[in-house]
Amino acid sequence: AQTVTQSQPEMSVQEAETVTLSCTYDTSESDYYLFWYKQPPSRQMILVIRQEAYKQQNATENRFSVNFQKAAKSFSLKISDSQLGDAAMYFCAYRSAGDGNQFYFGTGTSLTVIP
Amino acid sequence: EAGVTQFPSHSVIEKGQTVTLRCDPISGHDNLYWYRRVMGKEIKFLLHFVKESKQDESGMPNNRFLAERTGGTYSTLKVQPAELEDSGVYFCASSQTRLSPLHFGNGTRLTVT
Repeated sequence: AQTVTQSQPEMSVQEAETVTLSCTYDTSESDYYLFWYKQPPSRQMILVIRQEAYKQQNATENRFSVNFQKAAKSFSLKISDSQLGDAAMYFCAYRSAGDGNQFYFGTGTSLTVIP
Repeated sequence: EAGVTQFPSHSVIEKGQTVTLRCDPISGHDNLYWYRRVMGKEIKFLLHFVKESKQDESGMPNNRFLAERTGGTYSTLKVQPAELEDSGVYFCASSQTRLSPLHFGNGTRLTVT
């Protein structure tokens, strides 16, 4: 079974600075999708960014970008110019591109943004 | 469009009691998923509906959990009888197609005392 590991339970960043959240995964599949989801306090989880494994180019969404290292099975999230609204729990997730419908999530990283 | 809604947002029950969680997916989303996060641990898959049919229920922990999706609209997840280890946050998510992005609800925080 696929596993997703987030080794940083908590992280903090100064407002306007850059922070990188780590994620590694284990799979024997060659085609899959990776995601970062964000859950602000008492609010719903929303998709931050998505990466297809077959694409070598790292996905970018405004201030959010990923460093996807397929051989190392690493998928880190970089948040640039951090804002107070970025404070949330961040979950890394994996989903097979095949028949499976399950998402496999990590344990989450709680990000605090310091004013 | 209205998002995925879950009710209640919080539930505190005693061991042995019954609780029913409800999820209203985004209108038109055939795929509905239930996930659970136990405190400090990863979010784990429970089951997946396509319309009213259970596509995959491999993540359901035991027969104390019963999920239904009558008419392919809203879904309920009943826990009967509840045990202490059932405490956690139960998330519902929906998607238009199997490969579409998931839209999550706010979750229901269940505490079993």
